[in-house]
Amino acid sequence: DADVTQTPRNRITKTGKRIMLECSQTKGHDRMYWYRQDPGLGLRLIYYSFDVKDINKGEISDGYSVSRQAQAKFSLSLESAIPNQTALYFCATATSGIVDTQYFGPGTRLTVL
Amino acid sequence: RKEVEQDPGPFNVPEGATVAFNCTYSNSASQSFFWYRQDCRKEPKLLMSVYSSGNEDGRFTAQLNRASQYISLLIRDSKLSDSATYLCVASSTGNQFYFGTGTSLTVIP
Repeated sequence: DADVTQTPRNRITKTGKRIMLECSQTKGHDRMYWYRQDPGLGLRLIYYSFDVKDINKGEISDGYSVSRQAQAKFSLSLESAIPNQTALYFCATATSGIVDTQYFGPGTRLTVL
Repeated sequence: RKEVEQDPGPFNVPEGATVAFNCTYSNSASQSFFWYRQDCRKEPKLLMSVYSSGNEDGRFTAQLNRASQYISLLIRDSKLSDSATYLCVASSTGNQFYFGTGTSLTVIP
């Protein structure tokens, strides 16, 4: 079984709709992250969380919100989807430590029409 | 200025060739560095961490030059299976990870 899972894997929605992307992990990591990836722009950080009570904005948080329901779950919401939020979204986890690497989920391909 | 910059390529090399990628980072406080590999439409996966002393893992060698603020990845004896996008990553405190846009490699038979 995958250590980091994301649902849904693909989603097509319409402008103005609210949508939630979910991420679950079985790695026992404290840190969780949401990124989006666009061609030519690389991975950009949306939000990150170091524990259930810790939520931090990343580089491009506008138009997004998150919820850390438990250590293992981190959800990303698009409050009112717009076409330029069409992208590939990745959830990632990491341990706490001096040199900590990230482990990514398989991604969610979101299309906003 | 982007935190991490890479030449996007593409690099097209024949099997068996040696290829090198460079990446520069702008934050001198960056402490941790990584190379990730990403296959088309898949998630990034850690290829190797980069240490000050340099490190090698089979055909892959990573180097860090703090004075010039760049890291490099050398791939020897390229295989068809090495075709992918290689992402350079820097982290200053472990709180946030800054990704380059990636360098595309295609190994040609």
